[in-house]
Amino acid sequence: DTAVSQTPKYLVTQMGNDKSIKCEQNLGHDTMYWYKQDSKKFLKIMFSYNNKELIINETVPNRFSPKSPDKAHLNLHINSLELGDSAVYFCASSHRTNTEAFFGQGTRLTVV
Amino acid sequence: QQQVKQSPQSLIVQKGGISIINCAYENTAFDYFPWYQQFPGKGPALLIAIRPDVSEKKEGRFTISFNKSAKQFSLHIMDSQPGDSATYFCAARDNAGNMLTFGGGTRLMVKP
Repeated sequence: DTAVSQTPKYLVTQMGNDKSIKCEQNLGHDTMYWYKQDSKKFLKIMFSYNNKELIINETVPNRFSPKSPDKAHLNLHINSLELGDSAVYFCASSHRTNTEAFFGQGTRLTVV
Repeated sequence: QQQVKQSPQSLIVQKGGISIINCAYENTAFDYFPWYQQFPGKGPALLIAIRPDVSEKKEGRFTISFNKSAKQFSLHIMDSQPGDSATYFCAARDNAGNMLTFGGGTRLMVKP
């Protein structure tokens, strides 16, 4: 029944590694997002993506890349992980024409 | 550059009291203003939202007041309950895109 699901919920990895976080939504939405929440709880948009357009927040390092195999999935790949990447990453989705965004439970990434 | 400024960062209210959280924005292209509630370990969830064509919206104990000329909006929680203890985020979305810009969050604690 979960509307937006992310895996894994927790991810601990070493600096320099490459990792992926998966996201799936079963709401039939056409737009998906990735947000980063830092230790101070600030929520910052990273990407917005639908089947036509990828919008990238210009402050996101190019080590981060979204990959969408289909409309229901938007995975986040991170290369060469750094300590500063430690945060909670949230996936969300919405209809392009509808303003409400539904969030997943989050993935807590810890880089050691 | 923070486009949506939220205050206070933290708030302690007695049970039954009124909790008030304020937000101010810069971008006049914003046309949708939601409030999200986040409990520890969970993703943000939509609480209530308003568009700038109305000055107030009420849903149960939650009310948004909107002042378009001042570019400010606020959340009022009447009869605050311990179960309302959470982090609250205001947000805004512009009419050109579909990404939410969040305020810095307010950690609310309602004491019994």
